[in-house]
Parts: sequence; C-alpha cells; structure tokens
Amino acid sequence: AQKITQTQPGMFVQEKEAVTLDCTYDTSDPSYGLFWYKQPSSGEMIFLIYQGSYDQQNATEGRYSLNFQKARKSANLVISASQLGDSAMYFCAMREFSGSARQLTFGSGTQLTVLP
Amino acid sequence: EAGVTQFPSHSVIEKGQTVTLRCDPISGHDNLYWYRRVMGKEIKFLLHFVKESKQDESGMPNNRFLAERTGGTYSTLKVQPAELEDSGVYFCASSQGLGGAGSYNEQFFGPGTRLTVL
Repeated sequence: AQKITQTQPGMFVQEKEAVTLDCTYDTSDPSYGLFWYKQPSSGEMIFLIYQGSYDQQNATEGRYSLNFQKARKSANLVISASQLGDSAMYFCAMREFSGSARQLTFGSGTQLTVLP
Repeated sequence: EAGVTQFPSHSVIEKGQTVTLRCDPISGHDNLYWYRRVMGKEIKFLLHFVKESKQDESGMPNNRFLAERTGGTYSTLKVQPAELEDSGVYFCASSQGLGGAGSYNEQFFGPGTRLTVL
C-alpha cells in the first residue's frame, strides 16, 4: 500500500533563507508521481510541483525545487529565498499510475512559518 | 476559467442531522474526487467519479455517506445522519484526465467545506 511520511509537523525559516521540507514515500508501483501542495490559512490547496518516477531530472518551478532521491524514496521540497507569503501548510502527495486508481495519498503536512 | 467551487464554505449541524455538500468541478473535467481531512490527520481519499460513474469509492467510511454526480457535472456528498467524527474539511478536486507516467493530469482542488458536527 502506498504511504507518505512527513516527519516535520512544523518548521521555521528566516525570510530570504532556503528551507527543505522532508517527504518520504513507500510504494511497490514502479510508475508513480509525487506532488507538493500548499495550503495557506485561507484553506485552498495550491499545486506547487510534480515529479514523475521516471523523470531523470529533479523538477523545478520558480523558487520551488524537488530533491528526488528515488533509491531512498524521498522527495523533499526546497523553497529558496523564503517569503512571508510562503507561510502555510505544505502537503506531499503521491499517485500510483499502474492500476486504475488515481487518487492522491497525502502526508500529514508540515506547517511552515517564515519569520521576518 | 473558473476553478473548482464548493458550497457551503462552512456548515455547523447537530449530530443526527443531514448535510449535503456540493462541488462544481472545472468545466470539461471528467474526473472528480472527494477527500476529507479530519482535524489533525491526513487528507484522506473518499471517492472518484469519472463522468457520472463511481470509479472508486474505496475511501467512503460507511453507508452514512452518499455521493452522486448526476449528468457528470456537479457532485453532491450527503452525510446522513451526521456523527461527531464526521467533522472536518471536505475537499473536492477535479482533473481533465486520469494521468499516467507521461502526463500527471494535475488535480485542481476547491477551497473545501468545513463541517462541524455538534
């Protein structure tokens, strides 16, 4: 069964510094995708970045990058040059692609606070 | 393009009452998902529609929950009768395709409905 683990319930980072949010996963499916979502206090879930299991390079989207280490089954999110608006809950999620199921499995989330 | 919308944004009901949550997906999205986050826990999958058909309802907690998607457009999730443990945030998401190794077909989430059962 697929599983996502986020071991950091809360993280603090100074504005303009970089921060890494940890995510490890477990799956027996060779074809899967990893997602990061941001949930600000307003409640909506905002898609940030995606990494496919067959992607050769780490995904990047602006200030977000994903440190994908397939052998270690980790997909850490790196936010560079943190901004106050980055304060939010961050969820790591996974989808398996081999079967018919397409739902996301989420981790418990990391609450990031950016300090001025 | 309008995003996924959910109604109501908040609902407070008493134990034993019935509540119906509504989700309007992005126009043209055949796939509609329901998730919920009970306080302090992970976001959990409830079910997946492809058009009007239930593709996967393995996450539905019990028969007090009934989801419909008549006509393949909007969806409703009814909880009857509501229990205290049903409190949480119910998210709806939609995607155009199912996704695969080559195209992930991002799921777009609505803002959620916060349900409080007293």
